[in-house]
Amino acid sequence: NAGVTQTPKFRVLKTGQSMTLLCAQDMNHEYMYWYRQDPGMGLRLIHYSVGEGTTAKGEVPDGYNVSRLKKQNFLLGLESAAPSQTSVYFCASSLQGTPLHFGNGTRLTVT
Amino acid sequence: GENVEQHPSTLSVQEGDSAVIKCTYSDSASNYFPWYKQELGKRPQLIIDIRSNVGEKKDQRIAVTLNKTAKHFSLHITETQPEDSAVYFCAASMGGNEKLTFGTGTRLTIIP
Repeated sequence: NAGVTQTPKFRVLKTGQSMTLLCAQDMNHEYMYWYRQDPGMGLRLIHYSVGEGTTAKGEVPDGYNVSRLKKQNFLLGLESAAPSQTSVYFCASSLQGTPLHFGNGTRLTVT
Repeated sequence: GENVEQHPSTLSVQEGDSAVIKCTYSDSASNYFPWYKQELGKRPQLIIDIRSNVGEKKDQRIAVTLNKTAKHFSLHITETQPEDSAVYFCAASMGGNEKLTFGTGTRLTIIP
């Protein structure tokens, strides 16, 4: 039982490049989330999904897109990376009304 | 929207002493208050949570208190140990996790 798995763990991008972060969970959770964590700012919700085929905007959605084609996977895309998107990205999943289970994070640097 | 303020941002405590971290929230409709612990380089993990129909909750050396009137809640760690060193985040929500607003974190250091 792996829980929530994120790939890759580290990535360096140049401004304007694109990439996709993958999140996979094996707990049959309906809800999945993408957060970014920046120093002194806590965790901020980018996008979330309440079920397969659904997505919704969180607090800081600009510059990101997401897709939930399968229940166990939640993809976060950056179409044109900017230095302001340098951050640590955490995926999480949950059932309705239960605590968040986080992945190990992806450290992204945009130069 | 909800605004959560967390204090202090850093806290150093002698091993064996108690540590207290405080959070205030702005939306009186918030009814769920979790605390997450994040060790260096690791994922955040839930350590305790409380709902608005309860004033206090304990789990071994950890306790959380909630004052709905004043709109603040606190994390109390007693008999601190080196493994308590981490960053602690409070959060508040008026509904599901998608409405969770996190505080900015407290870096707790336990001095041996």
